[in-house]
Amino acid sequence: GAGVSQSPRYKVAKRGQDVALRCDPISGHVSLFWYQQALGQGPEFLTYFQNEAQLDKSGLPSDRFFAERPEGSVSTLKIQRTQQEDSAVYLCASSAPTTTDTQYFGPGTRLTVL
Amino acid sequence: QKEVEQDPGPLSVPEGAIVSLNCTYSNSAFQYFMWYRQYSRKGPELLMYTYSSGNKEDGRFTAQVDKSSKYISLFIRDSQPSDSATYLCAMSEGSGGYNKLIFGAGTRLAVHP
Repeated sequence: GAGVSQSPRYKVAKRGQDVALRCDPISGHVSLFWYQQALGQGPEFLTYFQNEAQLDKSGLPSDRFFAERPEGSVSTLKIQRTQQEDSAVYLCASSAPTTTDTQYFGPGTRLTVL
Repeated sequence: QKEVEQDPGPLSVPEGAIVSLNCTYSNSAFQYFMWYRQYSRKGPELLMYTYSSGNKEDGRFTAQVDKSSKYISLFIRDSQPSDSATYLCAMSEGSGGYNKLIFGAGTRLAVHP
């Protein structure tokens, strides 16, 4: 497909479990972003990759959150020891590298921590 | 206080109405201003993209940016039921060569036939 894909679409975890969320960006897009969207709120920036380099991780809420993009394409957001406050939709977006380029968002992964 | 403020609504209008959505912000370094539309259980979709101040029109949509007042607006003419969605404003400084987007909370819009 031509768009950004994310998997799984829904994830239920028990508190304390580790989860891994996957993002497949649009082919050829060197920039990749992760955002967190709580219920009824706008997305909040988590982290940014240019190719395989993580250039900005200022939005990661704690050291339980870790993101990687080892080959500059697929990215994984990992959350260790999940807490209830981690429940949210996690959105991935990709774009070409310049500031004038559109960020194309995936459908998101809805994480529920019980 | 949040960097970007947006009235969450909900806003309910009849089909054919003109809709006005707006956001205020506090960071004078923002240069790039966007409006996204988000349908339920979908990712945000870019509607309008404006650099600095001014107006931009695309079909039934008009975006306005007033940097002196730190105020942006989106107008939807001849609104349709298919416009029913959450509208998110987003802004960026563009520093570092990438757009770290700061979003408003979103305004829920319902257009009824």
